[in-house]
Amino acid sequence: DIVMTQSPDSLVVSLGERATINCKSSQSVFYGSNNKNYLAWYQQKPGQPPKVLIYWASIRESGVPDRFSGSGSGTDFTLTISSLQAEDVATYYCQQYHTLPLSFGGGTKVEIK
Amino acid sequence: QVHLVQSGAEVKKAGSSVTVSCKAPGGTFSDYTFNWVRQAPGQGFEWMGVIIPLYGTANYAQKFQGRVTITADESTTTIYMELNSLRPEDTAVYYCARAETATIYNWFAPWGQGTLVTVSS
Repeated sequence: DIVMTQSPDSLVVSLGERATINCKSSQSVFYGSNNKNYLAWYQQKPGQPPKVLIYWASIRESGVPDRFSGSGSGTDFTLTISSLQAEDVATYYCQQYHTLPLSFGGGTKVEIK
Repeated sequence: QVHLVQSGAEVKKAGSSVTVSCKAPGGTFSDYTFNWVRQAPGQGFEWMGVIIPLYGTANYAQKFQGRVTITADESTTTIYMELNSLRPEDTAVYYCARAETATIYNWFAPWGQGTLVTVSS
């Protein structure tokens, strides 16, 4: 099974500052035949289901603000919020969809300083 | 905007079974796969399994093999997840989540609103 490890567990950032969340997979989630990384990022606010922000490691979902960006390849990935807004307070999860069983990181809680 | 609507909260005794339903929009039901994911209180997400309505086949996480059954009713565009031999540690919010295509290897969008299942000993 692919284990997804996120860091840090929590993050306190000032409004307008950058937030960076890391995700590491125990095996590569890159598929050479189509040159894609099978990695998504989700945002979950309290009492709500998750919402996809990024898929294929770096493609922003329609309607997601461009302050959210994803990068990385193989086993190491990053979600960056370039200028944290109050509405970005949430827990963020990475997910690999390369290999069954599909699996998620443990989450990173982002709060405002 | 696509919505998946799940059935309401359940309270069960250990050893019993629970069935959670997830109503999907009609029209293109068979163009997608549907997953079940659970989240224990204060915890992360655990993928349970997926169904491909086009073929009527399901694939389950080994942890739940033999205890979970996922089915799809194309006539009502509803997906069901039955979990048997419930234990207190099965207490969680259960989500259905649609994949973006008819393949298993996909991200999830959208998710249902979640169904809290509470298991008492």
